Amino acid sequence: KQEVTQIPAALSVPEGENLVLNCSFTDSAIYNLQWFRQDPGKGLTSLLLIQSSQREQTSGRLNASLDKSSGRSTLYIAASQPGDSATYLCAVFMFGANSKLTFGKGITLSVRP
Amino acid sequence: KAGVTQTPRYLIKTRGQQVTLSCSPISGHRSVSWYQQTPGQGLQFLFEYFSETQRNKGNFPGRFSGRQFSNSRSEMNVSTLELGDSALYLCASSSMDGGANIQYFGAGTRLSVL
Repeated sequence: KQEVTQIPAALSVPEGENLVLNCSFTDSAIYNLQWFRQDPGKGLTSLLLIQSSQREQTSGRLNASLDKSSGRSTLYIAASQPGDSATYLCAVFMFGANSKLTFGKGITLSVRP
Repeated sequence: KAGVTQTPRYLIKTRGQQVTLSCSPISGHRSVSWYQQTPGQGLQFLFEYFSETQRNKGNFPGRFSGRQFSNSRSEMNVSTLELGDSALYLCASSSMDGGANIQYFGAGTRLSVL
C-alpha cells in the first residue's frame, strides 16, 4: 500500500529565505508525482507534475525534483514571499487495479514579512 | 476556459439525512475524481468516473456513491449521514486518466453534519 509522508507538518520562515519541502513515498513504482498548493478553505492548485522518467520540473521560483529509487521528492521555493503562505501537498499516481492519487498530509508554510 | 465548479459550496445537514453534491468539470475533460479532506485523515480518494463509468473506488462504505452524466458532470451522494462525514469534499477533473495527467480541482463543498 502506497504511503506518502511530508515532514514537518508546519514551517515558519522569514521572507526571502530559500525553502526545501520534502516528500517521501514507500512504493517507487509510481507513474508521476504532483505538487499542489492549497489556500485555507480552498481547493488545490497543481504547481508541478513530474513524470517518473523525469528528474525535475521548474516553474518560476519553484523547482521540484524526483528521486524515484529512493522514494523522495523535494519542492524548492526560491526567495520566499508572504504570498507563498499556504499548505503544500505532494501526491503520487500509480497505475494498476486501483489507480489513484495518494496524497501526503501537507506542509503548512507561513512566510513572515 | 471555466474551471471546475462545485455546488453547493456549503451544506449543513443532520445525522441520518442524505446529501448530493455536484461537480462540473472543465470543458472537454472526461475524468472526474472525488476526494474527502478532513484534518485527521487528510485527502482520501473516494472514486473516479470516466465516460460515465466508475473506474476506481476508494475504501469508503457503500453509503458513498456517485455517477457521471453524458456531459461529464458528476454527482456524489452520501446517504444516512454520520457526524464523521463532516469534511471538505473536492472533485478534480482531467483530460485522461485521473492522476496520470494534471488534475484540476474545484473549490470544494464544505459539509457539516450536526
